[in-house]
Amino acid sequence: SAVISQKPSRDICQRGTSLTIQCQVDSQVTMMFWYRQQPGQSLTLIATANQGSEATYESGFVIDKFPISRPNLTFSTLTVSNMSPEDSSIYLCSVDAGHTGELFFGEGSRLTVL
Amino acid sequence: QQQVKQSPQSLIVQKGGISIINCAYENTAFDYFPWYQQFPGKGPALLIAIRPDVSEKKEGRFTISFNKSAKQFSLHIMDSQPGDSATYFCAAKGNTGKLIFGQGTTLQVKP
Repeated sequence: SAVISQKPSRDICQRGTSLTIQCQVDSQVTMMFWYRQQPGQSLTLIATANQGSEATYESGFVIDKFPISRPNLTFSTLTVSNMSPEDSSIYLCSVDAGHTGELFFGEGSRLTVL
Repeated sequence: QQQVKQSPQSLIVQKGGISIINCAYENTAFDYFPWYQQFPGKGPALLIAIRPDVSEKKEGRFTISFNKSAKQFSLHIMDSQPGDSATYFCAAKGNTGKLIFGQGTTLQVKP
């Protein structure tokens, strides 16, 4: 398994500001993903964080709004830019453990935008 | 093609009863079907998973039943306990590595 640490665990932000969420894994992993979970909803994939290249975004998500970095095989960041109340969600980092195909999730970062 | 449909949305079961949650998928390229359990304020935790080469997998009180021809799979929780009260998500993954989640089921087990 993989141990995933996310920071911050929660934050309250003002409209129009940006926040960067960090995801640190205790081992090198090939695939890292960022998900969004809106209140009372399921998980929606935002993007795949690719090491050494630009992230691959899902339909409905764009780089200008959710820039992602992945400088190495254990770390990634997701920035939520120019936030609005509609961005209030839990943002989750997920990693593929490798040969088992299992995906593990961090505890999530709960953002509230006022 | 990418949808995973989950039902019911919510479920109330008496302690000791059987909880059953169902999922259906469309994309025949999916080859990995996990179930996740999520408690409030926590990230989803992998509960049990199955691949399409078997029709059933059991781990303790949790069983996945898989019907490849019908493109359906279900989670059975035997002897349900109040501690099982959580939100359960089915999911599916193909060779892209991306997990597609169902809508979730909120389970309440009454003592």
